[in-house]
Amino acid sequence: GAVVSQHPSWVICKSGTSVKIECRSLDFQATTMFWYRQFPKQSLMLMATSNEGSKATYEQGVEKDKFLINHASLTLSTLTVTSAHPEDSSFYICSARAQGKDGYEQYFGPGTRLTVT
Amino acid sequence: RKEVEQDPGPFNVPEGATVAFNCTYSNSASQSFFWYRQDCRKEPKLLMSVYSSGNEDGRFTAQLNRASQYISLLIRDSKLSDSATYLCVVNHRDDKIIFGKGTRLHILP
Repeated sequence: GAVVSQHPSWVICKSGTSVKIECRSLDFQATTMFWYRQFPKQSLMLMATSNEGSKATYEQGVEKDKFLINHASLTLSTLTVTSAHPEDSSFYICSARAQGKDGYEQYFGPGTRLTVT
Repeated sequence: RKEVEQDPGPFNVPEGATVAFNCTYSNSASQSFFWYRQDCRKEPKLLMSVYSSGNEDGRFTAQLNRASQYISLLIRDSKLSDSATYLCVVNHRDDKIIFGKGTRLHILP
């Protein structure tokens, strides 16, 4: 299957600082990438849809000024958590859409575990 | 009614047994369906797509029932390594992806 990487895999930061997470599609071009957040023992929650060359589409309740998304190329999308607070501590996962046998399939990055102290 | 519903489990099943779980979806316009597997503290990995005609991949069989709006996953001859959370994923016509909360499966030795 297609490969998606994320960097960093984990990060600890102080409250008030900003953190940037990168998501790369390694062996295919992805016009659309997705950012999810997952709290312990809960399902993935879609935060935003990132389209190459245009503004991201945010889900209801997700602050676009706090979670900045940039999708400047067909293989890279970044999520910046600005002015992070302890409640932003979570598992952030990106995915990229690739053409499968029967339509589009989602491939996930390994996730970034963010801890804000 | 939630868009995608799954029994959270856990399902505790002895090794070698057959286990099945269902997932129901509310939007009849949903286009495509998938089962993902997620291990603890890891990202979800695509297990299999679910085709209208049903499909089988080794010990795993997925079925789609559009009339009743559910998909199912059957695991035969379960292995210890099958222990994971299984996520039902539904893709709407507008490409919106909806995840179920997942069903936890524990295979017991």
